[in-house]
Parts: sequence; structure tokens; C-alpha cells
Amino acid sequence: EDKVVQSPLSLVVHEGDTVTLNCSYEVTNFRSLLWYKQEKKAPTFLFMLTSSGIEKKSGRLSSILDKKELFSILNITATQTGDSAVYLCAVVCPNYGGATNKLIFGTGTLLAVQP
Amino acid sequence: DAGVIQSPRHEVTEMGQEVTLRCKPISGHNSLFWYRQTMMRGLELLIYFNNNVPIDDSGMPEDRFSAKMPNASFSTLKIQPSEPRDSAVYFCASSFTGLGNEQFFGPGTRLTVL
Repeated sequence: EDKVVQSPLSLVVHEGDTVTLNCSYEVTNFRSLLWYKQEKKAPTFLFMLTSSGIEKKSGRLSSILDKKELFSILNITATQTGDSAVYLCAVVCPNYGGATNKLIFGTGTLLAVQP
Repeated sequence: DAGVIQSPRHEVTEMGQEVTLRCKPISGHNSLFWYRQTMMRGLELLIYFNNNVPIDDSGMPEDRFSAKMPNASFSTLKIQPSEPRDSAVYFCASSFTGLGNEQFFGPGTRLTVL
């Protein structure tokens, strides 16, 4: 069964800390991996990763994919209280010879940044 | 752009009633997705459409759930009859071409079935 596992489930840090969120996956077919941030509303897109070893960066956030070891990490440096959210990882899996895709979400990591 | 629009934002209904959730995707996007989110099961993809055609509905939990997309600017998700275990937040999202591209989520409909 295809699955996406995120760790830790929750994390409490202080402002200024650096955090690393993990996402591992076991899927039959892989197309891409997506990271989302969800605050008290809808998820917002952060990154899409398709190739191993190429870091995607946006401000204090960065992410990288390892397709050999089947995981991705999301790093947040110099955390701020506004980074408090649930961070979701999702894997896009081609289906039916690539004609359709499935999207499998992990359960998320709840990050709380304390002042 | 107004983003993805969903209505209603909150719905409280009694078990057995029909519920219809509505979504207007971002203009120009040709893929639309319905998700359900609960504490127990997290975020689940129910169904998605490309160019108004349902591509994969394997995430739809059972026959009580149905979704339509009669045109490029409107979709509905219907639950009939509703049950308490259907209580969740239902998100609609849209993207330009396909599941692997950035999806823009609507604000969600919080459904409570008593």
C-alpha cells in the first residue's frame, strides 16, 4: 500500500531556532513531492520537488528530495511565530500508465514556534 | 483574482439530509480537486477533474458521495444521505493542468452532521 509518513508529528521550538521536518514515502510509482503549509485555514503551496539533490529555496524555507532513500526534508531557519502551522507533505503517483495521478498526503507535522 | 471560492463556509445539518457543497475554481485553471480533512484521517483526495471530466474518483468514500462539474467555472460535491461520520472540512482546489502542479485551495466548508 502506498504511504507517506511525516515526522515528527509535532514540534515545539523557540523563535530563532532551525527546524527540520521529515517526509518519507513508499509508493509504487513516483512523479513528484509537494510541501504545503496549513495554518487555521486552507493549505498553501510551498514547494514541488521532482529531482534528487536539487534544493528548492524560498526565503528561510528550503527543501530537498532524495529519490534513492525515498525521503524529503523541509528546513526552516531562524523560525518566527508566524511559521507555526501544520506542514503537509504529499506525493504524486502516476496511475494507469501515467494517464492519471494519485496524490497521497502525509498526516502532517504540527510546528509551534514560541516567542 | 478572487481565488477559489467555496460555499457555504459552514454547514450544520441532521443525519439523513442531503448536503451540497459548491466550488468555483480560479479562472483559467482546468483541474479541480475535492478533498476532505479530518483529525483522524488527515487530508484525503476524493475526486479530481481535468477539463470538467472526472479523472479519478477512487477516493470517494461510498455511493452516498457524488461530484459534478457541469462547466469550467463550477463544481458540486453532494452527500446524500449525510451521516455524522461525514463531518469534516471539505476543500476544493484548482490548478493549471494536473495533479502534480501547484494547487490553490479554497477556504473550505466545515460540515457538521448531527
